[in-house]
Amino acid sequence: EIVMTQSPATLSLSPGERATLSCRASQSVSNYLAWYQQKHGQAPRLLIYDASNRAPGIPARFSGSGSGTDFTLTISSLEPEDFAVYYCQQRSNWPLTFGGGTKVEIK
Amino acid sequence: QLQLQESGPGLVKPSETLSLTCTVSGGSISTSTNYWGWIRQPPGKGLEWIGSIYDKESTYYNPSLKSRVTISVDTSKNQCSLKLSSVTAADAAVYYCARRVAVGAPRYFDYWGQGTLVTVSS
Repeated sequence: EIVMTQSPATLSLSPGERATLSCRASQSVSNYLAWYQQKHGQAPRLLIYDASNRAPGIPARFSGSGSGTDFTLTISSLEPEDFAVYYCQQRSNWPLTFGGGTKVEIK
Repeated sequence: QLQLQESGPGLVKPSETLSLTCTVSGGSISTSTNYWGWIRQPPGKGLEWIGSIYDKESTYYNPSLKSRVTISVDTSKNQCSLKLSSVTAADAAVYYCARRVAVGAPRYFDYWGQGTLVTVSS
């Protein structure tokens, strides 16, 4: 099983600031990585797929990068609605696995 | 617009079988280009993939749950079902169903149900 490790667990930032979230895989997943956003009481929403492609309707302030084992989700300028929990997920190998999440909270 | 809706008992007794249904609307569950999956989230914790079904018959399960899980599709009702046997308190979670395309992009969970909370208690 590929273990996905996200850091930091919590990121405290102010609106307008840049957020940088990390996801590391225990072995290479090529570019088969997605990022999801989850707000309290809601289902996750797909943001980024195959490491760097924005899903339909996702604002340009969200970007993804990386390949192999190290990946980054960047939110260029935090909007109030971006404060949420973010998860990465690999589809390189079965079983599909998620990272433990990074909570982006208001400082 | 594709919509998914989970349903089933919100309370299950320990050692019994959890049974949930995902009703798909706005599209056909028979489409061979989709996986239909189940993901769960214990309260306050992260996401865990349970399993997926493809083309009505091919199933893929999380090894940690494989001995207790069955996922199936009922094309006549446009539904996907999850059965998890011998539940314990550790199985208490919000259970989501989700669609993942198998052809084209994005090959990740792009449509989700709202989730249903299952509590395990006697």
